[in-house]
This record gives sequence, structure tokens and C-alpha cells, in this order.
Amino acid sequence: AQSVTQLDSHVSVSEGTPVLLRCNYSSSYSPSLFWYVQHPNKGLQLLLKYTSAATLVKGINGFEAEFKKSETSFHLTKPSAHMSDAAEYFCVVTKSPGQTGANNLFFGTGTRLTVIP
Amino acid sequence: GAGVSQSPSNKVTEKGKDVELRCDPISGHTALYWYRQSLGQGLEFLIYFQGNSAPDKSGLPSDRFSAERTGGSVSTLTIQRTQQEDSAVYLCASSPRRSTSGANVLTFGAGSRLTVL
Repeated sequence: AQSVTQLDSHVSVSEGTPVLLRCNYSSSYSPSLFWYVQHPNKGLQLLLKYTSAATLVKGINGFEAEFKKSETSFHLTKPSAHMSDAAEYFCVVTKSPGQTGANNLFFGTGTRLTVIP
Repeated sequence: GAGVSQSPSNKVTEKGKDVELRCDPISGHTALYWYRQSLGQGLEFLIYFQGNSAPDKSGLPSDRFSAERTGGSVSTLTIQRTQQEDSAVYLCASSPRRSTSGANVLTFGAGSRLTVL
């Protein structure tokens, strides 16, 4: 079975300090993994994706994530938080690609990032 | 259009009334998803359409909820006899034909906020 766990429902950082949003997954095969961001009253926007190429994935707005198979993790990081990073972040894992016609995405419950001036 | 368009952006209705929410996906995208996001919650999968395949309705919470997709393009989510617990933001997303890796990248609309009084 596949699932995804976002360990923190809320993370608060000061502006200019590093950001770490944690995501762990379970999968019986090699999944694809994504991070999406949702700003207030907006739809979700893709930040970055991992699809079995390089394990360190760089995304938009200075974010990056590292796929660690041994730890079944895909944590999202950014060296220096900006006020505009305040948003909800969702980690997503694909189910097995064999389930044609069925929904194949698991969404985490989300992590709300607050950036303190 | 360039993005996923949803209408109405806001809908206030009385308990017991029926509502229809519309999603216009990106042209050429064969996959279409509906999600529900209640206040402060993660995304709840509702229904998935992929091309001409039978839709995956496994996420619909009750038989008051239904959705259709006409001509493989526009989709309508219908909620009959609305209840207060149906109040939420309903998000639509579309993606191109599923790749062999199952790595769908979703483009989300801005959502339809439903308030049931």
C-alpha cells in the first residue's frame, strides 16, 4: 500500500532562517513524489517533483527536496525563508502506475508554514 | 484557456438546495480530478476522470454527490440537497495523459468556495 505522512501540521520560522517541512512515504514500488504549495485563497501550485532521476530536486522559489529511499523521506527545504513563503504545503505520492483509470495520487494532510518578520 | 477555470468562485446556498460547480480544464488534458478542502483540512479526493474510462468515484462521500464530464472536457460536480457539512472549497485539477511512470503533474483551479447556510 502507498501512503504519505506529513509529520508537522504547522511550522513557524523567522524570516531569513532555514525551512524544513517533513514528508515520509510508504510504497511497495518506486513512487513519484511531489510538493505543492497553496497560498491563501488560491489553488495548488507545483513546487517540484521527483521521478526517479536525480535524488536532489530543485524547484521554484529556492525550494528543494531530497529523495532518500533508505529513510523513505522526501523533505522540503529552503535555506532562507521569505515572507512570501507563508502558505500551506502538500506532499504527494503516486500509487502504483498499474491502476489504470483509478485515482493514483495520495495527498498528505498538509503543513502550514508561518514566517515571522 | 491557459489554466484550469472554475465557477462560481463563491456560492452561498441554503440547506437542502442543489448546487452545480463547473470545471473547465486545460485544453488537451485527459485527466480531471475533483477534491474537497474543508476549513483547515487537507485535500479529500472525490472523483477522477481519465479519457473515456469509467470514472473513479471512490471518493464521493454520499449519493448526494455526482459528477459528469461531457465530451472529455468540461466537468460539473453536482451536490443535491446540500447540508452544512458540505461547506468547503471544491478544487478541480487536470493533467495530461498519464505517463508510464504515473507521474502526473496536476494543474489546479482556484476553487469554488461553497457555503451552506
